[in-house]
Amino acid sequence: NAGVTQTPKFRVLKTGQSMTLLCAQDMNHEYMYWYRQDPGMGLRLIHYSVGEGTTAKGEVPDGYNVSRLKKQNFLLGLESAAPSQTSVYFCASQTGNSNQPQHFGDGTRLSIL
Amino acid sequence: LAKTTQPISMDSYEGQEVNITCSHNNIATNDYITWYQQFPSQGPRFIIQGYKTKVTNEVASLFIPADRKSSTLSLPRVSLSDTAVYYCLVKGGYQKVTFGTGTKLQVIP
Repeated sequence: NAGVTQTPKFRVLKTGQSMTLLCAQDMNHEYMYWYRQDPGMGLRLIHYSVGEGTTAKGEVPDGYNVSRLKKQNFLLGLESAAPSQTSVYFCASQTGNSNQPQHFGDGTRLSIL
Repeated sequence: LAKTTQPISMDSYEGQEVNITCSHNNIATNDYITWYQQFPSQGPRFIIQGYKTKVTNEVASLFIPADRKSSTLSLPRVSLSDTAVYYCLVKGGYQKVTFGTGTKLQVIP
């Protein structure tokens, strides 16, 4: 059972380039989340989804877009990457009961030059 | 959103019990308290969750006083492999998740 899988694990981009981070979960979870983690800081919520076809903004949504076309996948897009988006990105999923814990992937380390 | 406050770092010797306290003065009635552990280059991993009083599982205990404005994660007899960052999370629904900066626990041989 793979749990939450993030691809790619590492990526280096130039300013202005675009890319998509993929998160896949095989636990049939309803909720999915994208966080970023910067040095010395906790995780900050970027966007989240409470079900297929739905997305919503979190704490730091600017510069990112997301899509949840399939229940098992949650995509995070950067349309025009900026150095301030250099970070480690974590995806998480959760059952439909919001009091249950979240399950995290191992992250994507993204550097924007 | 309920904000959490934890010590930035703690040191402990192997075999000792470690208690990490988290303050969450603005916790709401429906909020649960959840603790996660994070190793370098990995995502956070769930440790324990509670609403009030005491919860215990195979790896930790969680103590929550009656006013629920704080909570204490207790790790019995820590080993070197418990060196990690521990996050206290107050969660009352999917859109109200708030991670603090965490407590970096260093276990010393």
